[in-house]
Amino acid sequence: DQQVKQNSPSLSVQEGRISILNCDYTNSMFDYFLWYKKYPAEGPTFLISISSIKDKNEDGRFTVFLNKSAKHLSLHIVPSQPGDSAVYFCAGKGFGNEKLTFGTGTRLTIIP
Amino acid sequence: EPEVTQTPSHQVTQMGQEVILRCVPISNHLYFYWYRQILGQKVEFLVSFYNNEISEKSEIFDDQFSVERPDGSNFTLKIRSTKLEDSAMYFCASSQASGGANEQFFGPGTRLTVL
Repeated sequence: DQQVKQNSPSLSVQEGRISILNCDYTNSMFDYFLWYKKYPAEGPTFLISISSIKDKNEDGRFTVFLNKSAKHLSLHIVPSQPGDSAVYFCAGKGFGNEKLTFGTGTRLTIIP
Repeated sequence: EPEVTQTPSHQVTQMGQEVILRCVPISNHLYFYWYRQILGQKVEFLVSFYNNEISEKSEIFDDQFSVERPDGSNFTLKIRSTKLEDSAMYFCASSQASGGANEQFFGPGTRLTVL
């Protein structure tokens, strides 16, 4: 079951530059998409979400873009900071149910 | 800031034994969840719980699994007869409501090792 896919297992970015994390999905019934960040030995932490009827949502340094026709979303972090080094998960939530369907995650490393 | 807590942080058990994983969700949240992450794999939904009953469960959540809210604060996951393949990180989560984006807040997890 590959409803949510994150094809890049890892990404390295210089501090201060933009980090772009990508996510693809196959399930057209998702009505919200969420991004979570996870540090080792901790649970996932909610970052930002976007409704399927929007194409952009911004919160401080974090912006999520949704391209419904391509079934693709991306998370932009700018400027990237060392504390952003973590594993980032994309998740979809279906209309009318509560469960989150996660991707496999992308490990982001910010290089000082 | 309120947070979800889980105990124990690490549980080691023998195959065939029963285990109970415990969680204290955020106090004003109404919806509760269990997820698991097998090493190297994605986080997978197990079950959601609302108003003292299961509202949704995945194919993984078979008769060996059960959940309970024994009092006003705890939420537990029981595995009756553990198998080797139950070894995973188990995350509890909670949310205020199920509508909208339904931001779920996760606990730090319990690492279950079945020998």
